Amino acid sequence: AQSVTQPDIHITVSEGASLELRCNYSYGATPYLFWYVQSPGQGLQLLLKYFSGDTLVQGIKGFEAEFKRSQSSFNLRKPSVHWSDAAEYFCAVGLSGGYNKLIFGAGTRLAVHP
Amino acid sequence: GAVVSQHPSRVICKSGTSVKIECRSLDFQATTMFWYRQFPKQSLMLMATSNEGSKATYEQGVEKDKFLINHASLTLSTLTVTSAHPEDSSFYICSASTWASQETQYFGPGTRLLVL
Repeated sequence: AQSVTQPDIHITVSEGASLELRCNYSYGATPYLFWYVQSPGQGLQLLLKYFSGDTLVQGIKGFEAEFKRSQSSFNLRKPSVHWSDAAEYFCAVGLSGGYNKLIFGAGTRLAVHP
Repeated sequence: GAVVSQHPSRVICKSGTSVKIECRSLDFQATTMFWYRQFPKQSLMLMATSNEGSKATYEQGVEKDKFLINHASLTLSTLTVTSAHPEDSSFYICSASTWASQETQYFGPGTRLLVL
């Protein structure tokens, strides 16, 4: 069955430090992969997506993610975190066929210390 | 581009009443819309998928008579929670995708429902 695992429930970093949020997936076919960010009480904003091609994808707000097929991973990175990056981050796998459902991970809550 | 709105942003209702939540794609035509439910500090749970002009497809365990979904136009879908009870209190989020980019979902800001 398809699944997405985000091993870290809660991460705290200092402002200006680098960040890596982990995401592993289980899916039989080539996945569509997404990272979304959710601020408290808000909907989800798309940070970046991977469908095919270059395995390092750039997103908004200075985020990037790298698809590693051998590790079934799609980790999100940012070289220097800003206080405004504090939020909940969700990794998702898009299921091809049908209506392109998304399977979400449990989310990682990021706290940023000044 | 790809802006999705929801109305209302929050609603409080009495137990036994029905509540309608609207989801609109503001600057694109949404061939498919999705409705999710999110409990506090948890991930999103897909409730149903709807295509314009056809019946919604509900996920296993979601009561279709309880959560009525209508997708009457390419820019509007509605979720009606019928005979709401306190356990229906939750954060409801819709998303939409286009024919040209079916794999990508754009999310609305969510509606917080509190049933007293």
